[in-house]
Amino acid sequence: QSVLTQPPSASGTPGQTVIISCSGSSSNIGGNSVSWYQQLPGTAPKLLFYGNHQRPSGVPDRFSGSKSGTSASLAISGLHSEDEADYYCASWDDSLNGWVFGGGTKLTVL
Amino acid sequence: EVQLVQSGAEVKKPGESLKISCKGSGYSFTSNWIGWVRQMPGKGLEWMGIIYPADSDTRYSPSFQGQVTISADKSISTAYLQWSSLRASDTAMYYCARHVRVDDSSGYSTRYFDYWGQGTLATVSS
Repeated sequence: QSVLTQPPSASGTPGQTVIISCSGSSSNIGGNSVSWYQQLPGTAPKLLFYGNHQRPSGVPDRFSGSKSGTSASLAISGLHSEDEADYYCASWDDSLNGWVFGGGTKLTVL
Repeated sequence: EVQLVQSGAEVKKPGESLKISCKGSGYSFTSNWIGWVRQMPGKGLEWMGIIYPADSDTRYSPSFQGQVTISADKSISTAYLQWSSLRASDTAMYYCARHVRVDDSSGYSTRYFDYWGQGTLATVSS
């Protein structure tokens, strides 16, 4: 059972918009920034967002991140087949004094 | 270019010891914490712990405290994750990642893992 809650799966057709949610608590998302990671099949995770909505260079602006209260979300617009991957949210937890991850969401592009 | 290069795949028997490594390059290795993350087969990411190579200050997830040891040798820009007695349940992919923390003027911290190693697969089987 992960501390941060994500839907296990999401799907969409090419061109559609998909939103992946991440729910936490006041000790993690509520008081700290959220980062998102993309893990393509058979590869290491890659930073997708930091500071709730900041995109590292090279991440397409089709991807956007947001946070409100104790929840965060990742939106992917204009879905591409290469977006098919697992997506994880993460945040520092002040009670744990360490990192917590979401369980991951497997995105399927139909 | 920042890189974290991990040691190769390992196959061990239950009860054996193991030490895997993560070598950083392209940046000042003592300037950032290094984290370790476990991914069991078909499962999600789990934070194991984090080390500051400059002084080897280490924090562990309660789930992994006492089960593994995290260390670093700053002279060779390398962090380590080790087990003294492996179990079959330790079979997993292990990733190291560079940790970034930026504090703003109000004291709010932005933390994230910006660079990841390629992963080390550890298989424990009799």
